[in-house]
Amino acid sequence: EPEVTQTPSHQVTQMGQEVILRCVPISNHLYFYWYRQILGQKVEFLVSFYNNEISEKSEIFDDQFSVERPDGSNFTLKIRSTKLEDSAMYFCASRLGQDSGNTIYFGEGSWLTVV
Amino acid sequence: GDSVTQMEGPVTLSEEAFLTINCTYTATGYPSLFWYVQYPGEGLQLLLKATKADDKGSNKGFEATYRKETTSFHLEKGSVQVSDSAVYFCALSEDTSYDKVIFGPGTSLSVIP
Repeated sequence: EPEVTQTPSHQVTQMGQEVILRCVPISNHLYFYWYRQILGQKVEFLVSFYNNEISEKSEIFDDQFSVERPDGSNFTLKIRSTKLEDSAMYFCASRLGQDSGNTIYFGEGSWLTVV
Repeated sequence: GDSVTQMEGPVTLSEEAFLTINCTYTATGYPSLFWYVQYPGEGLQLLLKATKADDKGSNKGFEATYRKETTSFHLEKGSVQVSDSAVYFCALSEDTSYDKVIFGPGTSLSVIP
């Protein structure tokens, strides 16, 4: 079964450093997402991306965050200057289309630890 | 705004016991409803879904029925196995904007032999 893949699986970074989390969505999907889950808390929506632009973003997704689809296969989340509170599991997801029948498929997540 | 509430965990059951995890939602429209499962060390997997009222989603012995009158989508399984130990998330996708999936807090299930 096709799957969403994410790298790295775990990254430790110092506060203030830039981090890039990488994702390869399912190949024919058109909608891409990032979610995050702080340890012990809910899975929260960060951003959705379609047709090479952000279609929706949450309050969490401030100017420190950016997303990019630099080529036909990768989808990246960049955190410009990490803070301690950015420590979380970050999930990439993708969807084929935009209607109630299309399921969002999630990757296995990237653990980010900011120290 | 839209939200999802789940029963508090953790839930511990013996193998072959009956499982119910309650889920209720608040939404202004007609959302699609989902159960996702997260096994230890793994990502989020879709377990089942229902897209309209009275639909029943089912998979791997789990089932849940979309009840609009009670705004509920309770997850049930007749006989749990040790391999069902995981965190279960109830979630909804708004009908006005299919972009976002809104998750409940998750319920941790441990099944003991």
